Amino acid sequence: DAGVTQSPTHLIKTRGQQVTLRCSPKSGHDTVSWYQQALGQGPQFIFQYYEEEERQRGNFPDRFSGHQFPNYSSELNVNALLLGDSALYLCASSLVTGFTDTQYFGPGTRLTVL
Amino acid sequence: QQQVKQSPQSLIVQKGGISIINCAYENTAFDYFPWYQQFPGKGPALLIAIRPDVSEKKEGRFTISFNKSAKQFSLHIMDSQPGDSATYFCAAGIQAAGNKLTFGGGTRVLVKP
Repeated sequence: DAGVTQSPTHLIKTRGQQVTLRCSPKSGHDTVSWYQQALGQGPQFIFQYYEEEERQRGNFPDRFSGHQFPNYSSELNVNALLLGDSALYLCASSLVTGFTDTQYFGPGTRLTVL
Repeated sequence: QQQVKQSPQSLIVQKGGISIINCAYENTAFDYFPWYQQFPGKGPALLIAIRPDVSEKKEGRFTISFNKSAKQFSLHIMDSQPGDSATYFCAAGIQAAGNKLTFGGGTRVLVKP
């Protein structure tokens, strides 16, 4: 059973560019959440997608946008990159059922903005 | 408030010792409290989680203690092993709200052989 996969593993961009990160959820999961983890800090929630809609959003500007496809995979897009966007971007998938929807994280995409 | 405060920032323990990490939260709406373990270059992996109707939960060498009135919870790692050396994050979520997680700042644990 494949876990959460993310691509690419690493990415280097320059300020002002745009980037797209991709996530495939764990088999059977229908919800994808994106987190940003700066070096030495805990992950911060960006947004969550369920049934191809953004269900909730954290305190991130509109430069951060996303999409969920019918097969539950998801993309995170960041426009007009800033140096401060350099971080590990984590995707987590879950299944909205029962009382808990435990989130399983992928290995992340390391984004460096120069 | 959505903040979750975690302490200590780092911890050194001898092999066989007990590692204790503490977290405090402010939002009384939180009803799901997981702990994640993260190795360098990897994503966080779920260790153990607790709901506020339970004061303690144990899974193998890992135990969560939960104090609802104090709005605090802690992770105890018994018989710590060098392979436990990692960064540990507490988190809190509201399950009815899609369970987005608010993470603590992390604790780097080093287990010396």
